[in-house]
Amino acid sequence: EADIYQTPRYLVIGTGKKITLECSQTMGHDKMYWYQQDPGMELHLIHYSYGVNSTEKGDLSSESTVSRIRTEHFPLTLESARPSHTSQYLCASSDGGNQPQHFGDGTRLSIL
Amino acid sequence: QKEVEQDPGPLSVPEGAIVSLNCTYSNSAFQYFMWYRQYSRKGPELLMYTYSSGNKEDGRFTAQVDKSSKYISLFIRDSQPSDSATYLCAMTAPLSSASKIIFGSGTRLSIRP
Repeated sequence: EADIYQTPRYLVIGTGKKITLECSQTMGHDKMYWYQQDPGMELHLIHYSYGVNSTEKGDLSSESTVSRIRTEHFPLTLESARPSHTSQYLCASSDGGNQPQHFGDGTRLSIL
Repeated sequence: QKEVEQDPGPLSVPEGAIVSLNCTYSNSAFQYFMWYRQYSRKGPELLMYTYSSGNKEDGRFTAQVDKSSKYISLFIRDSQPSDSATYLCAMTAPLSSASKIIFGSGTRLSIRP
């Protein structure tokens, strides 16, 4: 059973606000990922991390930033939210190698 | 052309039917294949994980990989209304950058009681 938690589950907020989406996993996985998924659409990788102090941008350009100060924690930040950031954000982790990724339940973000 | 192609559906079948979900891919380096199930407003949940070609069975689910045809399938036997969800295929190559997984766009499945 995967143990990866995302908060908040839903967020409706105004334009220009700073937002941090939280993601934590209790499995000790080194690799963590952030995906963006619009309704009925495929997953797009926006950030990933090999481990502490390692972050890389994914395939889809994103104005968000991430940090990895602790193994279990991989928060995503939007400095100034815009309506174009409205989407579902999914966090995942894996045990390295070619092991499958395990996902949280996502944060559904709506920017007014 | 996308690396992974998946029919978006929707696919609607009666309860008890056998369901076949499929993906094709273009990258012959893919060796690890996964199927995820995603319920509405939830994250994807890993169903099956297979390496290279062949079949793998887990309860009512069977995953099949045909690397020569670059084609993978998920079969669901005795389908139940609780199987109604979006099914995502996914795959990765050995030692790929950051173990990046390529996902299909998902097939929406509805099981009619």
